[in-house]
Amino acid sequence: QKEVEQDPGPLSVPEGAIVSLNCTYSNSAFQYFMWYRQYSRKGPELLMYTYSSGNKEDGRFTAQVDKSSKYISLFIRDSQPSDSATYLCAMARAGSYQLTFGKGTKLSVIP
Amino acid sequence: GAVVSQHPSRVICKSGTSVKIECRSLDFQATTMFWYRQFPKQSLMLMATSNEGSKATYEQGVEKDKFLINHASLTLSTLTVTSAHPEDSSFYICSASRDRQLFFGSGTQLSVL
Repeated sequence: QKEVEQDPGPLSVPEGAIVSLNCTYSNSAFQYFMWYRQYSRKGPELLMYTYSSGNKEDGRFTAQVDKSSKYISLFIRDSQPSDSATYLCAMARAGSYQLTFGKGTKLSVIP
Repeated sequence: GAVVSQHPSRVICKSGTSVKIECRSLDFQATTMFWYRQFPKQSLMLMATSNEGSKATYEQGVEKDKFLINHASLTLSTLTVTSAHPEDSSFYICSASRDRQLFFGSGTQLSVL
């Protein structure tokens, strides 16, 4: 079993839809959780950073962490064509900057 | 967010030559930088951790003599792919840590002919 599992998609939604992206993990040592957006042939861009269970909201993005279930989610409200990208979840142990990434989910928002 | 600059964005070279990729933290000092490799439709795979003023720490399976890392200052780390071969063709990405977060460069697409 991989440490981090993420459905690679692809996921295609109409503009304005709510998008739900998810990752599961097996290592309870992970304490920091991140979501990155990566456009084709570009470096990942940090979207959300959380370290506790619960929800964190930033604009149209909401990150959700459930440590008891080892499950994290990213919700995108009112999705836009510009949101079309690959979304990577990433996790780190306490005191470490080394990230373990999911495979990424490719999202397409259709106008 | 913090800015990490990576150059070049794309390089094409002949087999057997060496290629240097630079990673700079533009508005902060980074004692630790990371180098990743990404194949098409795959996630980022950590290659090595670059520490300013000391030797890099390589992940299992990564040849340290092939992928030379130099972190000579608090704002610059370089990755040199020595004697490149076609199988080294990949997307290389650096990152730097700041305030418990990682910020990434824009990546370098290396194509070895």
